[in-house]
Amino acid sequence: EPEVTQTPSHQVTQMGQEVILRCVPISNHLYFYWYRQILGQKVEFLVSFYNNEISEKSEIFDDQFSVERPDGSNFTLKIRSTKLEDSAMYFCASRVRQANTEAFFGQGTRLTVV
Amino acid sequence: SQQGEEDPQALSIQEGENATMNCSYKTSINNLQWYRQNSGRGLVHLILIRSNEREKHSGRLRVTLDTSKKSSSLLITASRAADTASYFCAARRSNAGGTSYGKLTFGQGTILTVHP
Repeated sequence: EPEVTQTPSHQVTQMGQEVILRCVPISNHLYFYWYRQILGQKVEFLVSFYNNEISEKSEIFDDQFSVERPDGSNFTLKIRSTKLEDSAMYFCASRVRQANTEAFFGQGTRLTVV
Repeated sequence: SQQGEEDPQALSIQEGENATMNCSYKTSINNLQWYRQNSGRGLVHLILIRSNEREKHSGRLRVTLDTSKKSSSLLITASRAADTASYFCAARRSNAGGTSYGKLTFGQGTILTVHP
């Protein structure tokens, strides 16, 4: 069964460093998302991406964040200068074009900023 | 305002019992989805109910949606220890007259513990 894959599963980085979280969405999906979940809190929307551009973003997704689909299969989230409060589980998700369809989530990348 | 608020926050039951979790939301929706998360793991999609549907079944899962009350419930029948997980509802807001890109707004979740 096709699935969304994310790498790495766990990343530890020093404050101020840049990190890139990687995702391979399901191949025929056209909408891509990043969400994050701070430990013990709810899952929060960061950004949606469609047709090679950001379609919607939340207040969390500030200038420190960027997304890219560099090669038609990967979908990346970059955090330019990590802060302690960026420590969270980051989930990538994707879905097909049709309305009222479910989003499929990856297993997540646990980012720890020290 | 927040979408997708669940109650109870935690539910502890014995194997074989039914578990009911409720979710409320605040704005009009296209659909409401339920996800399961095992501790520290990814989100697994369970069921999607559209705004024009009132009830949906999938195996031991039954979801209801009451758009007049802006609420949904997830019922797991004949629970098993393996059902122990966190359950989240996620609302996809309707976007009348515009394009919706499918952003989901999650609730805080219900932690379900099923004792063998």
